[in-house]
Amino acid sequence: NAGVTQTPKFQVLKTGQSMTLQCAQDMNHNSMYWYRQDPGMGLRLIYYSASEGTTDKGEVPNGYNVSRLNKREFSLRLESAAPSQTSVYFCASSSSIVGYLNTGELFFGEGSRLTVL
Amino acid sequence: GESVGLHLPTLSVQEGDNSIINCAYSNSASDYFIWYKQESGKGPQFIIDIRSNMDKRQGQRVTVLLNKTVKHLSLQIAATQPGDSAVYFCAGPQPQAGGTSYGKLTFGQGTILTVHP
Repeated sequence: NAGVTQTPKFQVLKTGQSMTLQCAQDMNHNSMYWYRQDPGMGLRLIYYSASEGTTDKGEVPNGYNVSRLNKREFSLRLESAAPSQTSVYFCASSSSIVGYLNTGELFFGEGSRLTVL
Repeated sequence: GESVGLHLPTLSVQEGDNSIINCAYSNSASDYFIWYKQESGKGPQFIIDIRSNMDKRQGQRVTVLLNKTVKHLSLQIAATQPGDSAVYFCAGPQPQAGGTSYGKLTFGQGTILTVHP
């Protein structure tokens, strides 16, 4: 089982360039998430998708857009990259919304390290 | 416990010792907590969770204690092994006016655990 797969693993962009981070899960999970992780800080939620067809803003959504392409795939797009978006990005999935009658077990990908110059 | 800033709390122990990692939360309405482990270069991995109607929950070599009076939880690892070396995060859904926002998982800053052979 691949679990959660993210691509690319590494990317260097120039300020103003755009790119899309891809994420796919093969666990038939309903909910998917995008987090960013910066040095010395915990993970911060960018966007999440409770179920296919829905997306909601997290803690730090500015500068990002998402698409829940189907049940398996959830992409994160940077339309005009800025140095402040240099970070490690993690995609995650869970069977349903964490906490509410369900375990908080998110399954994370290996991360995508993005550098914006 | 969790703190603000670029320097994560650290804990160094000898192999075989017991480890205690602490986490404080601010909102007394928080009702669900999760512990994650993140090894270097990998995504976080679920360890254990606890709901606010419990004071203690045990897993394999791990125990989580919840003290709602002082808004504190801890993760205890018994007989710590070198493979336990990682960053440990507490996390939970964010209580909001109108009810907890399940799905919006908030992570603490993390604690670095180093286990010496």
